[in-house]
Amino acid sequence: AQSVTQPDIHITVSEGASLELRCNYSYGATPYLFWYVQSPGQGLQLLLKYFSGDTLVQGIKGFEAEFKRSQSSFNLRKPSVHWSDAAEYFCAVSIGLGTYKYIFGTGTRLKVLA
Amino acid sequence: GAVVSQHPSRVICKSGTSVKIECRSLDFQATTMFWYRQFPKQSLMLMATSNEGSKATYEQGVEKDKFLINHASLTLSTLTVTSAHPEDSSFYICSARDSRGGDTGELFFGEGSRLTVL
Repeated sequence: AQSVTQPDIHITVSEGASLELRCNYSYGATPYLFWYVQSPGQGLQLLLKYFSGDTLVQGIKGFEAEFKRSQSSFNLRKPSVHWSDAAEYFCAVSIGLGTYKYIFGTGTRLKVLA
Repeated sequence: GAVVSQHPSRVICKSGTSVKIECRSLDFQATTMFWYRQFPKQSLMLMATSNEGSKATYEQGVEKDKFLINHASLTLSTLTVTSAHPEDSSFYICSARDSRGGDTGELFFGEGSRLTVL
């Protein structure tokens, strides 16, 4: 069965430091990949997505993610974290056009130290 | 981008009562919407797929008689939690696909509705 793993439940970084959030998926083919951010008590905002093509994807708020097929990974990165980035981050996969059924990872809660 | 709105954002009810949560696509038509449930500090669990004009498709383990879904129009899906109990307390999030411009595979999410059953 398809699954998404976010190994880090909590991550704490200092403001201005770089960030990498890990995401691994299990699926036979290349899925559609997404990163969402959720602020407390809020819905989900799309940061970026990968469908095909260039494996390095740029998103909003200075985030980027790289799809590595050999590692079944889609890690999220940001070179310099801002205090406002503190939130919950979810990696999700969709197993293809027409399904729209997302499988979410368990999320990584990011804390930013001033 | 496409906007999905949920109402109410917070609701408190007594045990045994029913609660309706609305999910609206504000600037597009959504033939398909999805309902998720999120437990505290956990991920989103897909409950059901809401199809305009037809019955919803429920995920395994989700009680269809407990969680009634109606998708009567192209812009509105409702989730009714019937005979609510404290264990139904949760954060419910809907999402919708925007088929304009082709099949992008992308979903747009509402702000979520927090249900507390006393």
